[in-house]
This record gives sequence, structure tokens and C-alpha cells, in this order.
Amino acid sequence: DTAVSQTPKYLVTQMGNDKSIKCEQNLGHDTMYWYKQDSKKFLKIMFSYNNKELIINETVPNRFSPKSPDKAHLNLHINSLELGDSAVYFCASSQRFRMNSNTGELFFGEGSRLTVL
Amino acid sequence: SQQGEEDPQALSIQEGENATMNCSYKTSINNLQWYRQNSGRGLVHLILIRSNEREKHSGRLRVTLDTSKKSSSLLITASRAADTASYFCATEGEYGNKLVFGAGTILRVKS
Repeated sequence: DTAVSQTPKYLVTQMGNDKSIKCEQNLGHDTMYWYKQDSKKFLKIMFSYNNKELIINETVPNRFSPKSPDKAHLNLHINSLELGDSAVYFCASSQRFRMNSNTGELFFGEGSRLTVL
Repeated sequence: SQQGEEDPQALSIQEGENATMNCSYKTSINNLQWYRQNSGRGLVHLILIRSNEREKHSGRLRVTLDTSKKSSSLLITASRAADTASYFCATEGEYGNKLVFGAGTILRVKS
């Protein structure tokens, strides 16, 4: 059983298109994240949801819109794709979240490699 | 800007040798974590050390934390070819709620 699963694994598309990446976790975690890893392997947090509520929204263009229909799912929709959006997008989840407390370990999906042509 | 900075950027050693990677960070933290990423795969959690801990062991891994110097080190003893991967440190700030990752160290273990 895959703990955190993302689809699709690879996505190749043209500039200006709209695409979505889906993420599901079966760990019973309350908190889910989207991270972006660029070509130099820098990993940067984009969004975090706790029990379907947005709690972290880093400086990300509003072309990126996360959606959490329930606490086991966190999807990422990207409008008007640009060349600079090419990256690997990782979904992750963690057990607990409370303000001013430990995040705990993150469980990552295998990543979704997005290539914008 | 990145919170954690790993050093060295790349490390190449022979199987059986020890590998040491360092991480420096800038602000006060709740905890510091180390992750491994094999090529083309997701990150896997290795170890978490809290701000009030100085050293932690897990199998062949040894992590130290020096909050006065804002630095941590990851030691992998008796390395194996399967340890070849990128290693990242990640810090959770004292106000919690997110992990910030460093740039990573690429470790290559030659058999």
C-alpha cells in the first residue's frame, strides 16, 4: 500500500495550458503539503492544509490553486502554465499540526515531474 | 531564502568509509530533520532531533545538533553503495507549522 500517492508521475504540456496534480494519503494524517523541487534540487514549500483548512500559503503565483476535498486528498491546479513552472512537485503529509509545536516527520509521495514546453 | 545550508554540496567516498554531512541554519528551531532522496524518488525521513537534544543515533546514522552554532551533522558509518543519494536537512522554526529544507548534499558511495 502506497502511503502518499501522486498522479500523474510525469506531465508534459505546452505553455498556457491548465493542469492538475492529485495527491492522496492513506496514513490518516491531518496535514498535507505541496513542495516544489527545482532543477537544482532546492525544495520549497508552497502550501499546507490541516484538516481541509489552508494554513500555509507561501509566495506562490495565484495561478496555483490547491484544493483539499477531504483531509486525505490535496490537489494542485495550475493555470496558464509557464516555462518556469517546470519542476518536480511533491506532496507530503504529517501526523499532527498545532501552532507552536513540532511538525513531526513528513511522508513524501514519489513526485510529479512537470515539463512545460 | 533557504533556512538550511548543507556542506559539502557533493561527497564521493569508497564503500566502508564514513560520510559526514553538515547543515547550518539561521534562526531558532523546534527540531531539525534529515531526509534521503534517491534519484527520481521522493524524500524519505531518516531522523529527527529536537532543539533540546544534542545527539541521536539510528542504526548506522548519527546526528548531532549544536544550537549555539546553529549547525547539525549527519554521520553515516560503514557506508554502502545503497547509501548513494541526496541528503537534506530540514528545520522547523520555533513557531512551528512548516519544514524548510536545505540545498542538499549529493553522496556517492563507490563499490
